[in-house]
Amino acid sequence: GEDVEQSLFLSVREGDSSVINCTYTDSSSTYLYWYKQEPGAGLQLLTYIFSNMDMKQDQRLTVLLNKKDKHLSLRIADTQTGDSAIYFCAERPNQGGKLIFGQGTELSVKP
Amino acid sequence: EAEVAQSPRYKITEKSQAVAFWCDPISGHATLYWYRQILGQGPELLVQFQDESVVDDSQLPKDRFSAERLKGVDSTLKIQPAELGDSAMYLCASSHTSGAKTYEQYFGPGTRLTVT
Repeated sequence: GEDVEQSLFLSVREGDSSVINCTYTDSSSTYLYWYKQEPGAGLQLLTYIFSNMDMKQDQRLTVLLNKKDKHLSLRIADTQTGDSAIYFCAERPNQGGKLIFGQGTELSVKP
Repeated sequence: EAEVAQSPRYKITEKSQAVAFWCDPISGHATLYWYRQILGQGPELLVQFQDESVVDDSQLPKDRFSAERLKGVDSTLKIQPAELGDSAMYLCASSHTSGAKTYEQYFGPGTRLTVT
């Protein structure tokens, strides 16, 4: 079946690195995503990685994919208070275009 | 930068009433999605359109929900009658259907529905 799991909360100090983890179950997923949601807002696409890659870097964001363990992580370098939000991991199963989302990880950045 | 537009942003309705949400995808995006996000959870797909055709509505409660995209551009999602459990954020998303950007799915700001 399709299932995505994330830890619910993460708290870091401003300037530190944040690492948000995710596990998924569908080994046929072609793409894996990270979205950011601020209170009362829609989802902002941060980055995504194709399943045949193991790393992708985009400015302060680094995505690591361990396909064998079905584990995805998002590292945010030099975390700022503006990074405080809920971060969603999502998988795109091979069939169709829908995304399967995790419950979201609430990131709290303390000054 | 082009964005997905949704209206209204907030809607309060009484149970058993009808309610409708509107979405205008990014220009040129042939694929349109409606997701429902219950508070504290991730979004779940309700219905997916390619142009004016429904591709996936397996999770749409068809006894009370309907969706249409008559001209393959903007879309309307309707609930009739609304129930207390329908209180949620309704999110619209869109993507290209072909080409390198197919896998980029962009979301609108959502409509927050409260059923009293």
